[in-house]
Amino acid sequence: KNQVEQSPQSLIILEGKNCTLQCNYTVSPFSNLRWYKQDTGRGPVSLTIMTFSENTKSNGRYTATLDADTKQSSLHITASQLSDSASYICVVRGQTGANNLFFGTGTRLTVIP
Amino acid sequence: NAGVTQTPKFRILKIGQSMTLQCTQDMNHNYMYWYRQDPGMGLKLIYYSVGAGITDKGEVPNGYNVSRSTTEDFPLRLELAAPSQTSVYFCASSYSGGGTRETQYFGPGTRLLVL
Repeated sequence: KNQVEQSPQSLIILEGKNCTLQCNYTVSPFSNLRWYKQDTGRGPVSLTIMTFSENTKSNGRYTATLDADTKQSSLHITASQLSDSASYICVVRGQTGANNLFFGTGTRLTVIP
Repeated sequence: NAGVTQTPKFRILKIGQSMTLQCTQDMNHNYMYWYRQDPGMGLKLIYYSVGAGITDKGEVPNGYNVSRSTTEDFPLRLELAAPSQTSVYFCASSYSGGGTRETQYFGPGTRLLVL
């Protein structure tokens, strides 16, 4: 069964600290993996997309890694800011097609001053 | 560009009532989607469209209908609202259904409460 699991469910960190969010998936075949940021009361916004051949991709203070062999991805946030408080959703695409996206339940990150 | 817009932002319905959630995108995207997001759950695909005049069911289509008469608009119709349809509904669009141009752009969501 195609599944995407994220951990932890929630995380609280102090402003300025780093953190890492995890995503494990069983989706097969695999096309790509995307991390989204969802602010409270807003729609998700894409942070990064990684294909099978990519193992690291950065977007500012966000760095995503992918190990396609173990089917694991992580999102590392460096020097966290209050504005990083949001839910982070891992999305894995199986085959091409609108009906082949698998969403994780997200990690709720709270950054406190 | 306004991106993806949704109306209304919030609505309360009584059981058995009907309503249409509106979604418009101005990016000339071919693909449009409707998702629902329940607390603690991942987004679930309700319906999608790959172009004007073409729609197809997603994972949870029961109780909903859609139409796609233009590239820009993709309304979601709820008939005979039920408490189980209480959720946050997101409309999204993308240029394609896969590959490097498949990034989905989401609207701000419609929060629906059925009592």
